[in-house]
Parts: sequence; C-alpha cells; structure tokens
Amino acid sequence: EAQVTQNPRYLITVTGKKLTVTCSQNMNHEYMSWYRQDPGLGLRQIYYSMNVEVTDKGDVPEGYKVSRKEKRNFPLILESPSPNQTSLYFCASSLTGHTEAFFGQGTRLTVV
Amino acid sequence: AQTVTQSQPEMSVQEAETVTLSCTYDTSESDYYLFWYKQPPSRQMILVIRQEAYKQQNATENRFSVNFQKAAKSFSLKISDSQLGDAAMYFCAYRSLIKYGNKLVFGAGTILRVKS
Repeated sequence: EAQVTQNPRYLITVTGKKLTVTCSQNMNHEYMSWYRQDPGLGLRQIYYSMNVEVTDKGDVPEGYKVSRKEKRNFPLILESPSPNQTSLYFCASSLTGHTEAFFGQGTRLTVV
Repeated sequence: AQTVTQSQPEMSVQEAETVTLSCTYDTSESDYYLFWYKQPPSRQMILVIRQEAYKQQNATENRFSVNFQKAAKSFSLKISDSQLGDAAMYFCAYRSLIKYGNKLVFGAGTILRVKS
C-alpha cells in the first residue's frame, strides 16, 4: 500500500530534550516536506527537500533541522524543543514539486 | 507571497443537503494548482479534489465539485447529498507551478458539521 508513515503519533517531552520524528514514504517520491498545524493558521511549511541531500527552509524553520540521506526518509529533528513547538506535525511527499501531496498520519507533539 | 483565505470558520449542513465552502486566494502567477483537503477527527489529511489553473472546466469527484473562478481568484467546494462521514475540517490549498520549493499554501480551514 502506498503510504507516508510518521512515528511517533503522540509525543510528550520536556523543554530542551532532543527528539526526532521519523517520516518514510514508499512511493519513490522526490519531494518531501514537513508542516506544522496550529489552530487558526492552517498548515505551514517547516522544511522541504527536492531530492536526496537537497533541503531548504520553509516558512517556519526556526528550531528545526532535517536531513535527506535516502530518498524514502525525511526525519524532523528538534535539537532543543520549546513549548512554542507544541503542535501537530505532518510529513508529506509528492512525486514532484507540482503534484498533490500525500500526508502522513500526523504527530501530536507536546513540549512541557 | 501567495495567501489563501477561508472566510467561514464553521459551517453546518443537514444530512442529504448541499453545502458550499468558500476559498479565495491571492497570487500574481498564472500557472498553479488548487486543492481541497479533508481532515476528519482521525487527523489524516485526505485529498478531496484538485484543479489545474489552466483548465477552465471545473473538477468533480462524485459528490464533490468545485466552482473555480480564475479571474476572481475564487475556488469554492460544493458537497452534494451530504453524509455524516463528510463531517471534518476542510482546507483549501494553493501550489505554485513556478516557484522553487513549491510548497502548499493552506487556508485556516473550515469545520463542517453534518446534522442527522
């Protein structure tokens, strides 16, 4: 089954404790991205990747890192999480930068 | 920068009735895609329908159809014969065909409630 898989689905952590949210797609898509969803703001792009070893900042990149060492994986790293990073996070992939995006199941992150 | 506006934070519809969700966008580009995504309580983002800006014909997918007015920069979603399973948050989204990075730009969303 074609899908984007994120883990974990729920995470509660403390301020400053490094964490990684994993994302994997099995559709051989070139383009992957991370979004955060906050009430009243819709989804906003954090980082994106056009292909392996090619990543760039989106609209809200502060406090986040990403890497794309393999085509299928695109982890999101929070080196020192803060409470303002409490949000719902989505990984998405698309065949190219022009086509529709397929989303993971979402990760609900709470930083206390 | 492109922006997407959904002016209806919440809408309600009676089961089997028709409802229209509004979306306007701002862009100076001529080539782009527009999408409607559905987010049920499970949080999964599900593509409902997409429209290529160069196509004049409005897209349809079963009970879902759009009214795409390019000059007015309007992209509304019509749901016919509403069902309880249609209850969800609906997001309108824009994607450039020109800009590097080609992110999806989302509206704030509209919560749709379906009454039985």
